Amino acid sequence: DTAVSQTPKYLVTQMGNDKSIKCEQNLGHDTMYWYKQDSKKFLKIMFSYNNKELIINETVPNRFSPKSPDKAHLNLHINSLELGDSAVYFCASSPVRIGTDTQYFGPGTRLTVL
Amino acid sequence: AQSVTQLGSHVSVSEGALVLLRCNYSSSVPPYLFWYVQYPNQGLQLLLKYTSAATLVKGINGFEAEFKKSETSFHLTKPSAHMSDAAEYFCAVGRSQGNLIFGKGTKLSVKP
Repeated sequence: DTAVSQTPKYLVTQMGNDKSIKCEQNLGHDTMYWYKQDSKKFLKIMFSYNNKELIINETVPNRFSPKSPDKAHLNLHINSLELGDSAVYFCASSPVRIGTDTQYFGPGTRLTVL
Repeated sequence: AQSVTQLGSHVSVSEGALVLLRCNYSSSVPPYLFWYVQYPNQGLQLLLKYTSAATLVKGINGFEAEFKKSETSFHLTKPSAHMSDAAEYFCAVGRSQGNLIFGKGTKLSVKP
């Protein structure tokens, strides 16, 4: 059983399009995250949800909108895609929302904007 | 503000040699520190974490790290490198808000 899963694994699209990435965790965790990994492999937090409540929103353009329908799912919708949005997006989850807990990462979604 | 610095974006060792990947942190509060590994085209996997219980932390795959407060360091070591250790390694500090702040990563290459 995959603990944290993401769909799709690869996403290739044109500038200006709108796309969504889905994430699901079956670990029973309360907290979920979206991280962005750029072309230089640098990882940065984008959003965090705890029990469906937005906790962290780190200076991300408002073209990015996370949605958490329940605590097992965290989706990321991106409007008006730009070239600079090309990156690998990782979903992660942890039992609680403090910095001591192990975070479990999904396999990533590689987004390419043409 | 908390931060992590990884010295050396690329480290190359021979198979069987010692692996040493360096990480220094900056934190005004007692830090919670992690090492994650990322194999090509995969997600991140936890190697080990420091949460103040013991300064020498043992992880998976023979890796360990030592927390040194006086040096603000949390270097990752493995006595004998294996070809399968070739990957990207990330040091991270946990924030009270819950997310991780990552270093820029160190790519480990292992030569036969």
